[in-house]
Amino acid sequence: GEDVEQSLFLSVREGDSSVINCTYTDSSSTYLYWYKQEPGAGLQLLTYIFSNMDMKQDQRLTVLLNKKDKHLSLRIADTQTGDSAIYFCAERGGTYKYIFGTGTRLKVLA
Amino acid sequence: GAGVSQSPSNKVTEKGKDVELRCDPISGHTALYWYRQSLGQGLEFLIYFQGNSAPDKSGLPSDRFSAERTGGSVSTLTIQRTQQEDSAVYLCASSPQVGNTIYFGEGSWLTVV
Repeated sequence: GEDVEQSLFLSVREGDSSVINCTYTDSSSTYLYWYKQEPGAGLQLLTYIFSNMDMKQDQRLTVLLNKKDKHLSLRIADTQTGDSAIYFCAERGGTYKYIFGTGTRLKVLA
Repeated sequence: GAGVSQSPSNKVTEKGKDVELRCDPISGHTALYWYRQSLGQGLEFLIYFQGNSAPDKSGLPSDRFSAERTGGSVSTLTIQRTQQEDSAVYLCASSPQVGNTIYFGEGSWLTVV
C-alpha cells in the first residue's frame, strides 16, 4: 500500500544547512509536497515538486527528487531558529488522496 | 474568509459525549478533506468531499464518526460516544479542484477525558 516515511527528529545549529529526508512507495505519485507545521498551527505548504522534475529551488529551500529510489529531500540553507517546526512530506498519486509522513521535528540550536 | 476556518480550536469533552467539529473552507473551493493528527503520528485521512459527488468515507475509523457537507461549503465532523483514543487534532483542508494543492485550517484540538 501507499506509505511515506520520515525520520522523527533532526537537530541543527543556526546557520547550518538542514536536510530532511522522505521515502515513499507509490511510484505513480505525480506531485510531492513539503508542509511545515509550527506549534499550535495547521500545516502550511512550503513547496512542491512535479514527478518529472529532479530539483526545485525556492530561495533557501531546495527540493531533490530521486524517482528511481522514491526518495525526496528538503534542504534548508542558512537554517534559522524560526525554521524550528515539524516538516511533513506528502505524496499524491492518481487519486485525490494525499498521503502524509509522520513528520520530522526540526530543532534549530542558537 | 481568506483561509480555511475551523471551530472550535480546542474542545475538552467527557468520554461518551458527542462532539461536532466545524470546517469552513476557502470560498470557491470544491474539494474538502478531513484528516486526524494523533500525537507522534502522521496525518490520517478520514473523509473527502468533492462537489456533489458521493464522499469518500474510507478513512473513517468507526461508525461513531460521520461527516456531512451542506450546500457544498461548510462541513461538520461528528464523533459520537467519544473515547479517549479519539483525542487528537482534527485538520480540515480544502482545494479549488481535484488535483490542486490543498490548504489546511489550524485544526480543532480534541481532548477526551
